[in-house]
Amino acid sequence: QVKLLQSGAALVKPGASVKMSCKASGYTFTDYWVSWVKQSHGKSLEWIGEIYPNSGATNFNEKFKGKATLTVDKSTSTAYMELSRLTSEDSAIYYCTRSVFDYWGQGVMVTVSS
Amino acid sequence: DVVMTQTPPSLSVAIGQSVSISCKSSQSLVYSDGKTYLHWLLQSPGQSPKLLIYQVSNLGSGVPDRFSGTGSQKDFTLKISRVEAEDLGVYYCVQATHFPPTFGGGTKLELK
Repeated sequence: QVKLLQSGAALVKPGASVKMSCKASGYTFTDYWVSWVKQSHGKSLEWIGEIYPNSGATNFNEKFKGKATLTVDKSTSTAYMELSRLTSEDSAIYYCTRSVFDYWGQGVMVTVSS
Repeated sequence: DVVMTQTPPSLSVAIGQSVSISCKSSQSLVYSDGKTYLHWLLQSPGQSPKLLIYQVSNLGSGVPDRFSGTGSQKDFTLKISRVEAEDLGVYYCVQATHFPPTFGGGTKLELK
């Protein structure tokens, strides 16, 4: 069955960066785009961007350009998202999701605090 | 960006009752291929979102047929017939016709 297993929660200082992972299984990783979605506390969902594992092609929400970097490791079927220059506004849960939102990871809670 | 407006923001229901949730978009969601990329998600408490319905009216994998989706262009509805306890949570509509994909604000379904 399709699974997306994300890395654990992160506590990071303002101004630092954080990199999280999303390991896919149960399907051909290179056949589907992987999207990343932000959910701030108690709020709705925001689409950050997507990556196509086969080619590494990416598309970003304008709002997250310069904030998020997406990469993949095809050898381990893992997608990564790095968030840079973190502020309190980046404290949220981040989900990876396959293609048209049909499968989701369990989420990574990122807390930005000194 | 396309604005997705969901109403009501919350609903209080009794088990066995039927409910409807509305989702309206600021632009038509018909893509150039003729398909409408409007989907519905359910986020149960403490869980990740789960796909319920894709492309307006198609049930996701394992989703019971108590759920149904209708609509076209800019106006969409999710209906739940005979609500069960496992249906409680926050429902989101999401459009993937226009870039970037955007989500509605959510409708919280609670027990009366």
